[in-house]
Amino acid sequence: EVQLVESGGGLVQPGGSRRLSCAASGFTFNTYNMNWVRQAPGKGLEWLSHISSSGNTIYYADSVKGRFTISRDNAKNSLYLQMNSLRDEDTAVYYCARGIPATHCGQGTLVTVSS
Amino acid sequence: EIVMTQSPATLSVSPGERATLSCRASQSVSSNLAWYQQKPGQAPRLLIYGASTRATGIPARFSGSGSGTEFSLTISSLQSEDFAVYYCQQYNNWPWTFGQGTKVEIK
Repeated sequence: EVQLVESGGGLVQPGGSRRLSCAASGFTFNTYNMNWVRQAPGKGLEWLSHISSSGNTIYYADSVKGRFTISRDNAKNSLYLQMNSLRDEDTAVYYCARGIPATHCGQGTLVTVSS
Repeated sequence: EIVMTQSPATLSVSPGERATLSCRASQSVSSNLAWYQQKPGQAPRLLIYGASTRATGIPARFSGSGSGTEFSLTISSLQSEDFAVYYCQQYNNWPWTFGQGTKVEIK
């Protein structure tokens, strides 16, 4: 069974940093492209970032470019999102998603940016 | 950026009735269009990809159609578990973008 488990969410002050992790299991992680998608409270979905199976191809949405960094460790079956210079508008549930389109998503981790 | 526009914003339907949701792209996305279902407090669930192919385990009452800029999702006979928010998403051009969602509610 495919499982994606996000962690690392919590309360962070504006301008602060946070690192999210996604632990993958139940599939051959190093053969799948992976993504981060987020959803602000009461709002729609936003595709944030994509990383290819090898890590050689990376995309970012304009809203996070230069502030967020996606990475992966295929030896650890893990996906990461380093978030810097956080803003109020980054408050959201962050989902780890497998593939494009997203055939599987984790349950998400809530990041709240507030002073 | 390709803008995805869904209509209507809210659709009120009685159980057992048919529901048709629409999605329009601001430019052609070929058939690189997916539909997701999301229930409160849950992650999105993939229903349809390639505009018309059902994802694994999705009931046959869900069907997708369209190509280019006009797409639709049809639920042939609404079940109680189908009341949710539905999103379309294009993956033809980065940034991949979602529509704003259609809420299907009980009439």
